[in-house]
Amino acid sequence: DSGVTQTPKHLITATGQRVTLRCSPRSGDLSVYWYQQSLDQGLQFLIQYYNGEERAKGNILERFSAQQFPDLHSELNLSSLELGDSALYFCASSLQGGSEKLFFGSGTQLSVL
Amino acid sequence: GQQVMQIPQYQHVQEGEDFTTYCNSSTTLSNIQWYKQRPGGHPVFLIQLVKSGEVKKQKRLTFQFGEAKKNSSLHITATQTTDVGTYFCAGSSGGSYIPTFGRGTSLIVHP
Repeated sequence: DSGVTQTPKHLITATGQRVTLRCSPRSGDLSVYWYQQSLDQGLQFLIQYYNGEERAKGNILERFSAQQFPDLHSELNLSSLELGDSALYFCASSLQGGSEKLFFGSGTQLSVL
Repeated sequence: GQQVMQIPQYQHVQEGEDFTTYCNSSTTLSNIQWYKQRPGGHPVFLIQLVKSGEVKKQKRLTFQFGEAKKNSSLHITATQTTDVGTYFCAGSSGGSYIPTFGRGTSLIVHP
């Protein structure tokens, strides 16, 4: 158990819909990362937050947004969903957001039908 | 942007055989990390290498960081069925602390 909690584990929705994925980092970790894993793209970095502030942005679509709340949990919002958004979404956390090891949650499997 | 290439994509071995996966970066890395993802699981951190030419061992696993800090390898001696999974390298460079992941090497061990 990594200590990172992600909910829900599975999500099935239709095209055009909006969903919210939730992540609670390990106790004491200030930084949260979101990654998307698909068969054809591998593990793609989406966005990083540190202590409530956005720190780095990767290949995140404009239809996607995220935030980190004062209690350090994070949410990833995906809107106007397309079939190609179907993937495994991982949240990871680290202590300070520097060159540290990442602790990954068990992921949310999103299926867009 | 930074690219991290990993080969091979898949590797089938008989239990007891050795296994190696290679990671190459288009840019000089400040550090490289290795993760293992079991089937149906999530990536789990194995190790981080920082110094040029660094070699670290964890039981049957040997990790190397190239002299130019642009390549790395993971070698497993005498594979076991518990080694099954996908091994990812992840490199950081250019002042960014965000690890860029390779596509991973899936290891299949036949008993």
